[in-house]
Amino acid sequence: AQSVTQLGSHVSVSEGALVLLRCNYSSSVPPYLFWYVQYPNQGLQLLLKYTTGATLVKGINGFEAEFKKSETSFHLTKPSAHMSDAAEYFCAVSDREGDMRFGAGTRLTVKP
Amino acid sequence: DTGVSQNPRHKITKRGQNVTFRCDPISEHNRLYWYRQTLGQGPEFLTYFQNEAQLEKSRLLSDRFSAERPKGSFSTLEIQRTEQGDSAMYLCASSSSRELSTEAFFGQGTRLTVV
Repeated sequence: AQSVTQLGSHVSVSEGALVLLRCNYSSSVPPYLFWYVQYPNQGLQLLLKYTTGATLVKGINGFEAEFKKSETSFHLTKPSAHMSDAAEYFCAVSDREGDMRFGAGTRLTVKP
Repeated sequence: DTGVSQNPRHKITKRGQNVTFRCDPISEHNRLYWYRQTLGQGPEFLTYFQNEAQLEKSRLLSDRFSAERPKGSFSTLEIQRTEQGDSAMYLCASSSSRELSTEAFFGQGTRLTVV
């Protein structure tokens, strides 16, 4: 089955700084890729997704991610962090049959 | 449709007891997933269904765990002879195979505490 590795279990940035959360995937078939966000005591919400077509995808709250097949990566970025971005972020990979697997997550802290 | 619904939201049980959780997916979704999440970890895949067929089951799942989706709508996850290590958040999600995105929508989860 496919798998995801998220490099860095904790990332801390200052408000207004660039956010970069790393995700590498392993899949024997062309993948669907997702980023989900989880705020404290809340369920997982979809931030953005890549299925086919344009490799740079934009999501909610100013986040975007780029699918790089050669690097098997799908890193999440945001140009300027906001305090409200503090949360747990999960990268996920799915095959065409819907078998979806998640990474261990990265906790983002935003300092004032 | 109000989204994926899970019941109960919280369950406290004594070690050795059996527990059953229910998940009602978004009505037009034919895929249903169960994950387990412990503190500070990502959702760990347990199993998933397409309609009533169970397509994949994690090797991490012991014989004490069983999931059903008898009519291709709601699903139940049963844990027999619970152990303290079963304490976790159990998440259910659903998606549609008829859509290209296969995006999964998650419920709020059932938090299990085994004492």
